[in-house]
Amino acid sequence: GEDVEQSLFLSVREGDSSVINCTYTDSSSTYLYWYKQEPGAGLQLLTYIFSNMDMKQDQRLTVLLNKKDKHLSLRIADTQTGDSAIYFCAERHYRDDKIIFGKGTRLHILP
Amino acid sequence: DVKVTQSSRYLVKRTGEKVFLECVQDMDHENMFWYRQDPGLGLRLIYFSYDVKMKEKGDIPEGYSVSREKKERFSLILESASTNQTSMYLCASSPQTGFGQETQYFGPGTRLLVL
Repeated sequence: GEDVEQSLFLSVREGDSSVINCTYTDSSSTYLYWYKQEPGAGLQLLTYIFSNMDMKQDQRLTVLLNKKDKHLSLRIADTQTGDSAIYFCAERHYRDDKIIFGKGTRLHILP
Repeated sequence: DVKVTQSSRYLVKRTGEKVFLECVQDMDHENMFWYRQDPGLGLRLIYFSYDVKMKEKGDIPEGYSVSREKKERFSLILESASTNQTSMYLCASSPQTGFGQETQYFGPGTRLLVL
């Protein structure tokens, strides 16, 4: 199948690290993406990783890719209230260039 | 910066009405997409277009049609709105496929309520 799987909900205390996990199915995926959707808004591209990398860091964001297990994660360091959003994982297939989205993980920040 | 705009943020329509959702992008992208987003179901692709006057059905095209008369504009049409079409509608665009990290860029969404 073409499923991209991620848990639907994550609750984290302000200041802690958040780790959002995603599994995908297509081993030939070229790029993997993380999008952020704030309440009432569209999806905003947060970061991406090329499939021949295993890690990418961008300020508070760290993306880890385990190609063998087809597992992608997004770590947000020092989680803040502004990080409260839905985070979508997406993969881009090599064969047909389709982008497949997960159902999104809602990140809830506890005070 | 890529800009994708949608004509309305919120719409309320009655069952049976014809509804037009408009999307415009300013980056000369070839590809444009319409998704609907529902709680617990994620994004579902309704239709996409890879060129002017070209369209392809996505995963859930029933009850919808689209129009792409100009490259920058992609319209989603609900010929006769029904209550099960109450949803958030997201438009996206992307450049023609090739190498690179290019992905889809999204508009802010239109929240449609059908009464």
